[in-house]
Amino acid sequence: GAVVSQHPSRVICKSGTSVKIECRSLDFQATTMFWYRQFPKQSLMLMATSNEGSKATYEQGVEKDKFLINHASLTLSTLTVTSAHPEDSSFYICSANVPGQGADTQYFGPGTRLTVL
Amino acid sequence: AQKVTQAQTEISVVEKEDVTLDCVYETRDTTYYLFWYKQPPSGELVFLIRRNSFDEQNEISGRYSWNFQKSTSSFNFTITASQVVDSAVYFCALTLTGTASKLTFGTGTRLQVTL
Repeated sequence: GAVVSQHPSRVICKSGTSVKIECRSLDFQATTMFWYRQFPKQSLMLMATSNEGSKATYEQGVEKDKFLINHASLTLSTLTVTSAHPEDSSFYICSANVPGQGADTQYFGPGTRLTVL
Repeated sequence: AQKVTQAQTEISVVEKEDVTLDCVYETRDTTYYLFWYKQPPSGELVFLIRRNSFDEQNEISGRYSWNFQKSTSSFNFTITASQVVDSAVYFCALTLTGTASKLTFGTGTRLQVTL
C-alpha cells in the first residue's frame, strides 16, 4: 500500500512554456500532499503544502504565481511551473500523507526531472 | 524550530562491511517523530522507518537496525553486511505531532558500497 505516482517522470521544455506535473495517490486518499524541489546532491526543499479543496500553503520564498498547485481530488495534486526558465530546471518530488497515530507518514512519488532549455 | 544534522556527507564501504549512518536532531517539543528514507539513484524516496519520541526501543529489520537515544538526541541507522544495492542517499527527518506535519530533513548521507 501507500503508493504515490508522478507523471511525467522526465520533461524537457523550451524557456517560456508551462509544464504540468501530476501527483497521484494510487491506493489511498490523501487530503494533504507536499511538493518538494531537489537540486543535485542536495536535500529536499519543501515548496508548498497542498490541501484538497483549498488553496495551497507556500513556503517562504516560493512564488505562488509561478508554481501553481491544484488539489482537486483526494487522489490528485498538480504542480504547474508557469513560464519556465532554465533556473527552474530541477528534480520535483511530491509526497502524500498517510494518516497515522500521532503524526502522518509521508510517502513519496518517484519524482519528475524538469529540464528547461 | 527543528533541525536535523547528518554530519557524514559521503561514506564508502566495501561489500559485507557494517556501516552506521548518524543522525542528530534538535527540537524543543517533547513529542515528535523520526524517520529514515532511502533515495536510490532512480530518485524515489523510500520510507524505511518511523519512530515516535516515546519509544526508545531499538528496532531491527533484516540487515537494518536503528538506535534511538533521546539522551544524545540521536537516531542512528546501521546496515549490517552491506550490499551494492544499499548504495543510495539516506535521509533522516523529523516531524512534530499532528496531521499534515511538515518534515524537517537532514542534508543526507551518500552511501557507496563497492565490491
